[in-house]
Amino acid sequence: AQTVTQSQPEMSVQEAETVTLSCTYDTSESDYYLFWYKQPPSRQMILVIRQEAYKQQNATENRFSVNFQKAAKSFSLKISDSQLGDAAMYFCAYRSSPYSGGGADGLTFGKGTHLIIQP
Amino acid sequence: DVKVTQSSRYLVKRTGEKVFLECVQDMDHENMFWYRQDPGLGLRLIYFSYDVKMKEKGDIPEGYSVSREKKERFSLILESASTNQTSMYLCASSPTYYYGYTFGSGTRLTVV
Repeated sequence: AQTVTQSQPEMSVQEAETVTLSCTYDTSESDYYLFWYKQPPSRQMILVIRQEAYKQQNATENRFSVNFQKAAKSFSLKISDSQLGDAAMYFCAYRSSPYSGGGADGLTFGKGTHLIIQP
Repeated sequence: DVKVTQSSRYLVKRTGEKVFLECVQDMDHENMFWYRQDPGLGLRLIYFSYDVKMKEKGDIPEGYSVSREKKERFSLILESASTNQTSMYLCASSPTYYYGYTFGSGTRLTVV
């Protein structure tokens, strides 16, 4: 079974600065998908960014980008120009690809990182 | 906007009651999921479904069952609620493996 580890329970950053959230995962599969989700106090989980393992290029969505290191099984999220609205719990998640022979099940989540934005 | 709607935001039930948590999506997604979220434990998969009348156990199915009679609706059932089922329950749907989920806003269930 796959596992996802987020080693930082809490991170704090000054507004307008850059912060990086760490995520590592364990898998024997070669093809899979990785995600970062944001959960603000409103509780609504929002997809931030998605990465397909067979793609070399790191995904980017506006101020959010990832550093995907497949060999190291690392998938960190970088938030540039942090804003107050970025304050939330951030979850890293893994999903098997059906073509890798992996199980046809749901996302496996890390335990989350609580991001605090200091004004 | 696509939507996943969970019928209750907050729910308080007594020990031993049968509890139904309802989830409806309007996106014609095949896949639907139920997770529970607990502090320090993250999200854990309870059950999921890839089609009508189809269900699969997740990581923590004990004490739960599900029903999917129609494509848009996926219900989580606590047959006999216990205090250790006090938690946040999140429903999600997805069209394929290639996309992330769309989540509902969650139901915070307290069993007393």
